[in-house]
Amino acid sequence: NAGVTQTPKFQVLKTGQSMTLQCAQDMNHEYMSWYRQDPGMGLRLIHYSVGAGITDQGEVPNGYNVSRSTTEDFPLRLLSAAPSQTSVYFCASSYPPSGGATETQYFGPGTRLLVL
Amino acid sequence: AQTVTQSQPEMSVQEAETVTLSCTYDTSENNYYLFWYKQPPSRQMILVIRQEAYKQQNATENRFSVNFQKAAKSFSLKISDSQLGDTAMYFCAFLLNRGDKLTFGTGTRLAVRP
Repeated sequence: NAGVTQTPKFQVLKTGQSMTLQCAQDMNHEYMSWYRQDPGMGLRLIHYSVGAGITDQGEVPNGYNVSRSTTEDFPLRLLSAAPSQTSVYFCASSYPPSGGATETQYFGPGTRLLVL
Repeated sequence: AQTVTQSQPEMSVQEAETVTLSCTYDTSENNYYLFWYKQPPSRQMILVIRQEAYKQQNATENRFSVNFQKAAKSFSLKISDSQLGDTAMYFCAFLLNRGDKLTFGTGTRLAVRP
């Protein structure tokens, strides 16, 4: 049981480049989400998904796309990277289908992104 | 919209002593969840403790306990017998419903001195 995994751990992009941040969980969680962490601002929600095929916008969605074709995977796409997207990105999951503390979100190790 | 406020940007405590981190929140709802997450230098977000608003009893997890004051909308974290490994950023977070987004405070940086 690997929990929530994210790749890559660190990435440098040039302005205008595109890339996909990968997130996967093996806990059969229905809910998955992407946050970004900037200095002095805590974590802010980018996009989230309540199940396969269902996604919705969070607090700061501009410049990011997501899809959820399977329960396990929730990739975050940057179509045209901008320096303002330099941040640390966290994926989280919660809401196992039965039992446990369903509302507790478990986080991946994060991806550091630098956009030049 | 819910807000979470952590008014202590930085705190310091001597090893083996006790420290309390403050958190206040604002909501008009009656049922919700509160969390404390720890973020060490590795940047991993680690759940420390959680509290359901409908429970009057304060949550405890080993050396970590909370003082949940629902009427005052306060949710402080007490760390007893502080250890060097407790050095980290601590975030308070609010969740209204299962599947909703977490609303985070801006964090408190805790340093444990040897």
